[in-house]
Amino acid sequence: SQQGEEDPQALSIQEGENATMNCSYKTSINNLQWYRQNSGRGLVHLILIRSNEREKHSGRLRVTLDTSKKSSSLLITASRAADTASYFCATDKKAGNTPLVFGKGTRLSVIA
Amino acid sequence: DAGITQSPRHKVTETGTPVTLRCHQTENHRYMYWYRQDPGHGLRLIHYSYGVKDTDKGEVSDGYSVSRSKTEDFLLTLESATSSQTSVYFCAISEGTAIYGYTFGSGTRLTVV
Repeated sequence: SQQGEEDPQALSIQEGENATMNCSYKTSINNLQWYRQNSGRGLVHLILIRSNEREKHSGRLRVTLDTSKKSSSLLITASRAADTASYFCATDKKAGNTPLVFGKGTRLSVIA
Repeated sequence: DAGITQSPRHKVTETGTPVTLRCHQTENHRYMYWYRQDPGHGLRLIHYSYGVKDTDKGEVSDGYSVSRSKTEDFLLTLESATSSQTSVYFCAISEGTAIYGYTFGSGTRLTVV
């Protein structure tokens, strides 16, 4: 069963705008990760945020985590056409060493 | 993707035949995973391995078996392929469990006719 669910399912924006994607999950976690998938390719790890962190930055990416609401957001600032891809959140489960469970993803289209 | 390769990249097979997909890594990572990706379902874990000869089932393991006789190779076998196993299969590796990011292969597109 899905642990994380991304919202929206699809997002279309103009180049230069910011893109925000959200992820909600069901059970307590140790950390949450975000991945990008370009069409026809494998997933690429973007950023990891631990359960005791509230915000993390990496270049144009900003991730927040609210464990009380069991939710995370991924913000891409000043988007580019090359950011067009699907974005997935992935979580483990707090109890024990468990593989990542991925959500269904948000499809982002950045229009030049 | 650097350090991890999947073969074949594409395969068409007939219903009822056995199929083996291979994942090969050069990173010496302990953990290896097989996921399948289907529209509307995202990625779902099939099996994973936490060491040579150490494997465990994932969410959608029925109809699949795995083997890991060497650190670098993780094989996924569809014992008797069915049309519902038409999918894109991804292998991933990691140094540890969820505290580390995963590195994914480029995927195998399998069509069962």
